[in-house]
Amino acid sequence: AQKITQTQPGMFVQEKEAVTLDCTYDTSDPSYGLFWYKQPSSGEMIFLIYQGSYDQQNATEGRYSLNFQKARKSANLVISASQLGDSAMYFCAMREGVSGTSYGKLTFGQGTILTVHP
Amino acid sequence: NAGVTQTPKFRILKIGQSMTLQCAQDMNHNYMYWYRQDPGMGLKLIYYSVGAGITDKGEVPNGYNVSRSTTEDFPLRLELAAPSQTSVYFCASSYQWGGRTDTQYFGPGTRLTVL
Repeated sequence: AQKITQTQPGMFVQEKEAVTLDCTYDTSDPSYGLFWYKQPSSGEMIFLIYQGSYDQQNATEGRYSLNFQKARKSANLVISASQLGDSAMYFCAMREGVSGTSYGKLTFGQGTILTVHP
Repeated sequence: NAGVTQTPKFRILKIGQSMTLQCAQDMNHNYMYWYRQDPGMGLKLIYYSVGAGITDKGEVPNGYNVSRSTTEDFPLRLELAAPSQTSVYFCASSYQWGGRTDTQYFGPGTRLTVL
């Protein structure tokens, strides 16, 4: 079974509008972390936001927020006020287990390509 | 800080050749990782290291070897290159302390083509 599922191969959004990128995960471990990375056309991996499984509040980083719904096992990324520079591939990733035993290993989804139209 | 650096940026290999992908970090991170990204796909873990002298296999280790003689460097060795190893290779590092692992930071990647 897929541990990280991103069901939207591509998404389109108008500049200045908000967009939600979906991510669902599968784990039986009570301790885990969820990450979002951005990969622009230049290819580098840019860390955006992190949510821990025990965090009470949804994570926010500037225009990025993570809509964490633990019971549904979803960790959707919300980008507010989209900009042309937000056009990129976005990856959801999960780190399972207590950090000392998982060694920080990440499992990635297949990604969503976001295109921002002017 | 340079962060995580990788060399080379691009490489074309012939089938059966060998090469080493270099990775270095200057953030004093104890954990390091190698991932590969096939076209249109997410990243998959090849090998990882939790400190100098300690390495272990990830999800897709076949055809690769690693070593970690220093905290800073984590080279990935490809022996007998095959077309299936055509991919983009990313090195990453993170810091683990007190049972908590920090976010992974990635290098710029090496694009490898095997013909």
